[in-house]
Amino acid sequence: EPEVTQTPSHQVTQMGQEVILRCVPISNHLYFYWYRQILGQKVEFLVSFYNNEISEKSEIFDDQFSVERPDGSNFTLKIRSTKLEDSAMYFCASTTRGTGGYGYTFGSGTRLTVV
Amino acid sequence: SQQGEEDPQALSIQEGENATMNCSYKTSINNLQWYRQNSGRGLVHLILIRSNEREKHSGRLRVTLDTSKKSSSLLITASRAADTASYFCATDSKMEYGNKLVFGAGTILRVKS
Repeated sequence: EPEVTQTPSHQVTQMGQEVILRCVPISNHLYFYWYRQILGQKVEFLVSFYNNEISEKSEIFDDQFSVERPDGSNFTLKIRSTKLEDSAMYFCASTTRGTGGYGYTFGSGTRLTVV
Repeated sequence: SQQGEEDPQALSIQEGENATMNCSYKTSINNLQWYRQNSGRGLVHLILIRSNEREKHSGRLRVTLDTSKKSSSLLITASRAADTASYFCATDSKMEYGNKLVFGAGTILRVKS
């Protein structure tokens, strides 16, 4: 069964450093998402991406965050200057259509630890 | 306030018993989905119920949806120790481009063998 692949599985970074989280969505999917889950809390929507642009972003997704689909396969989330409160599990997801009625496929996540 | 709030927050049952988890939401939806998460792992899609459906089955899972009450329930029958996980409901709503999933806080299910 097709999978969404995320790398790395775990990243530790110093506060103030830039990090790039990588995702390879399912190849025929058109809509891409980043979510995050702070330990013990709910899964929160960060951003959705369609047709090479952001279609919606949450309040969490401020100027420190950016997303990119640099080629036909990768989908990246960049945090420019990490803060302690950015420590969380980050999940990438994709779905084949935006009209609803389809499940989303999530990656296994990247655990980001900011020290 | 948030979409997709589950109750109970935690549920502990014996193997073989049924587990019922409930979810309430606030705005209109296209569909409602249930996901499972094993500790520290990714989210696994379990089942999706459309807004015009009332009940859906998949193996040992049964989901109901009551749009008039804006609520859903997930029933796991004949539970197994391997069902121990967190279960999240997520509402899928239309945006201008595509859809967006909004998750609830989840129910932690522990099945004792």
